[in-house]
Parts: sequence; C-alpha cells; structure tokens
Amino acid sequence: GAGVSQTPSNKVTEKGKYVELRCDPISGHTALYWYRQSLGQGPEFLIYFQGTGAADDSGLPNDRFFAVRPEGSVSTLKIQRTERGDSAMYLCASSLLGGVPGELFFGEGSRLTVL
Amino acid sequence: GNSVTQMEGPVTLSEEAFLTINCTYTATGYPSLFWYVQYPGEGLQLLLKATKADDKGSNKGFEATYRKETTSFHLEKGSVQVSDSAVYFCALSEGTGANNLFFGTGTRLTVIP
Repeated sequence: GAGVSQTPSNKVTEKGKYVELRCDPISGHTALYWYRQSLGQGPEFLIYFQGTGAADDSGLPNDRFFAVRPEGSVSTLKIQRTERGDSAMYLCASSLLGGVPGELFFGEGSRLTVL
Repeated sequence: GNSVTQMEGPVTLSEEAFLTINCTYTATGYPSLFWYVQYPGEGLQLLLKATKADDKGSNKGFEATYRKETTSFHLEKGSVQVSDSAVYFCALSEGTGANNLFFGTGTRLTVIP
C-alpha cells in the first residue's frame, strides 16, 4: 500500500496475556519508529529501528516490551504479561533515509485495550 | 531533558477566524521544531517545520516561527476553514541525526461554519 499499515486496528485482551502488534512501513523507508499514545496525551517514543537493528530503544517502559524487525521491513511490537496500564494507541511511523529531517509518516495506529 | 508544552484545548472557532495555538519547548541542544496534524480517521502528518532560530515554517496557510529567545513555536493561521478541524501537535527533535520526536499533548481545533 501507499502508506504505513498497522494491524490489528483494535485489540482487546485480558490482563496477563501476550500481544503482538504489526507494522508494515512505506516501501523503501529504512527507519521505523514505535510510539505509544495514551488518551489526551501526545505520542511517546518507544523504539527506533534503522534497518534491522534497534538504534534506540530507550523509550521502552520495561522488559515486557520488545520489538523486532528481522528483515528490515515489517516490524512487530510484542508485549508480554499485559497490564491494564498498557492500554493505549500504539503508533508506527517510518521515514526515508535522506528525507526531510523529522518528517515521519505515521500509520493510523493499533488501539490496545487490556481488561 | 527535552519537552514540549502546548496550549490546552479544545479550541472552537468560527470559519475565517484567526488561529493561534501556543507551543513552548525545553531542549538541551539545538532542536528542530515541528507541527504535526491529525485529521479525523487519519494518521499524524507533518504540517510544517523549522530547523533553526528565526526560521519560519509554512504550509496550507499555517505559519510558525522558531523563537529561540522565548523558546516558542506558536502556530498561526489568518483565516481558518472547516476543513482545518483536527488535532494539532507541536514536536521537537534533538537534531542529532535521529529523527525520534518529542510531542506535546495536542490541541483539538473545531471550526464551525
């Protein structure tokens, strides 16, 4: 597709369960970012990939959160032992190496609800 | 550390009214500054940017000037339209090569005919 695609758009799970959220970036974009947005707040940075490697994972809140990008394209954000406080919109973005600095292309997000 | 403080909303204006959404920042270095917009049912998208002091970013009739002396990047538009109804986010990047952004909390704008 033309834009960043995120699936699922909505995910409801129970406390303690494992969740995976998928991001398919714009073709050719080498950089990929995950953000988390709680209600009434701005997006908060989680992790940034350049190619296959995580260049900056300083925003991951704890070791229950993990993200991979094995082939340098699609990325999966993995959350273990979910807690109610993990409920939020998870946003993925991609950008082009050598593109406009700070211009990130965002998907519509995956809304996670932990009951 | 880096942070962005943005005018709280929601803001409701009549069509053709003047818009200002305030944004101030705190940064350790020399950040680049951005306004992103989220239209209903869509992802965030870049509206405008400024990379150094006194730069003015502009797009779609919106403008913002990077003011280092007041650490501000206020968004303005002279005459809003109904189609401008959206959530507006001020953001900064550290300008060190990484593009990860620090966002404000967002301001919801509703323009009524």
